[in-house]
Amino acid sequence: AQRVTQPEKLLSVFKGAPVELKCNYSYSGSPELFWYVQYSRQRLQLLLRHISRESIKGFTADLNKGETSFHLKKPFAQEEDSAMYYCALSGTGGGNKLTFGTGTQLKVEL
Amino acid sequence: DTAVSQTPKYLVTQMGNDKSIKCEQNLGHDTMYWYKQDSKKFLKIMFSYNNKELIINETVPNRFSPKSPDKAHLNLHINSLELGDSAVYFCASSPGGNYGYTFGSGTRLTVV
Repeated sequence: AQRVTQPEKLLSVFKGAPVELKCNYSYSGSPELFWYVQYSRQRLQLLLRHISRESIKGFTADLNKGETSFHLKKPFAQEEDSAMYYCALSGTGGGNKLTFGTGTQLKVEL
Repeated sequence: DTAVSQTPKYLVTQMGNDKSIKCEQNLGHDTMYWYKQDSKKFLKIMFSYNNKELIINETVPNRFSPKSPDKAHLNLHINSLELGDSAVYFCASSPGGNYGYTFGSGTRLTVV
């Protein structure tokens, strides 16, 4: 079974402060992990994939298989980062089903 | 050019009615999905089709029936709507592999 846990429903930080959105997963095989972002009342957008090891909008995420984590980080939060962030896992087979965490609402305050 | 488009964007209807939501993708992807986002923003997969064939059917009431006339379209028909069906329904498509999904803008369904 695939499971994704995002322990924080809401994370509030000040502009310029570092951000870390936590994500832990449970999967017996080799997972593919993603972060999606949803700005207010908009569609979900792919933010980054662990396999591409890229940095998008200043965000990075490193897959730690030992801790089964894929935390999303940004050194300096911007006001436009305020959004809902979802961590998601895709296992092998099964139609590449994406299992989402419950999401973390990031609020960047001035 | 919208990659994944859903219609309608908003749908308000009475309990007991039957309604459909349409989804089209112009990305040439083989796989399409329906997800439900509830009032707590939780996203749960409902169905997945690969090249018109149903491959994922999660525990969803049989009042919900997906239909895929071709690989670019995946529609969702809902019979006998209930208050608990109120949610945002997202369509998505994927090229397969692990490239992630492209989502539509969602259909906000309100059952009154």
